[in-house]
Amino acid sequence: NAGVTQTPKFQVLKTGQSMTLQCAQDMNHEYMSWYRQDPGMGLRLIHYSVGAGITDQGEVPNGYNVSRSTTEDFPLRLLSAAPSQTSVYFCASSYSQVDGGRAKNIQYFGAGTRLSVL
Amino acid sequence: KNQVEQSPQSLIILEGKNCTLQCNYTVSPFSNLRWYKQDTGRGPVSLTIMTFSENTKSNGRYTATLDADTKQSSLHITASQLSDSASYICVVDRGSTLGRLYFGRGTQLTVWP
Repeated sequence: NAGVTQTPKFQVLKTGQSMTLQCAQDMNHEYMSWYRQDPGMGLRLIHYSVGAGITDQGEVPNGYNVSRSTTEDFPLRLLSAAPSQTSVYFCASSYSQVDGGRAKNIQYFGAGTRLSVL
Repeated sequence: KNQVEQSPQSLIILEGKNCTLQCNYTVSPFSNLRWYKQDTGRGPVSLTIMTFSENTKSNGRYTATLDADTKQSSLHITASQLSDSASYICVVDRGSTLGRLYFGRGTQLTVWP
C-alpha cells in the first residue's frame, strides 16, 4: 500500500492563480480530510468528506473547494490564490474503529504540499 | 471555547534521558484524546488514542496518560533516542466525527547526543 499520496510536494503560485492539490489513498477509507498547518499554529481543518459524493466544511473553508467523486481521490482546489494561503497542506484518510464500545477515528496523513503564494 | 494547550513549546534533552510533555484541553464534550508525532517535513503519525475511560496507553517507549476529570494528558518518553526529535501534537476529539478534531500547537522536542 502506498497509503496517502499528495502531489505536488512543492508549488509556487502567483496571486490570483488557481490550482488543484491532489490527494489519493489506496486503503479504501471512507473518510478523508484536508488541513493546513501554519507556523506556530495547530493543524486547521479546511474540508472533509465522509464518503464519495459527500463533503462538508471545516474550520477554514473560504477560498477552497473540494469534491469526492471516488473513494480514492479527494482534490483540493484553490480558486484564486492569495498570499494568506501560503501554508503546508496535509491530506488525511481515516476509518472508524470500535474499541471498548467507543468509536475511534484512525487517521493516516500524507507527506504534505508546501505552497507559496507570491 | 474549545482549546488544546500544550507545554512546553520546545524542549531539549540528552539522548537516553526521559521527558514528559503536557496537554490541557477545554474541549467539550470529550470523546478521544490522541498524541501524534510529526517529523520535520512529514505528516503527523499517530502514537496513541485514548477514550475518556482509559487512564494510560503505551506504544513502545511512549506512554500517554489521561485525567478526564482535570482535562489533562501527558506523554512520557522513556530512554530518548535521536529519532525522537520531532513535534508532538495533542489532539482532542469532540464527538466521533471528522469535523470535531482540535489540534494543539505541538511541543518541539530535540534530542542531543
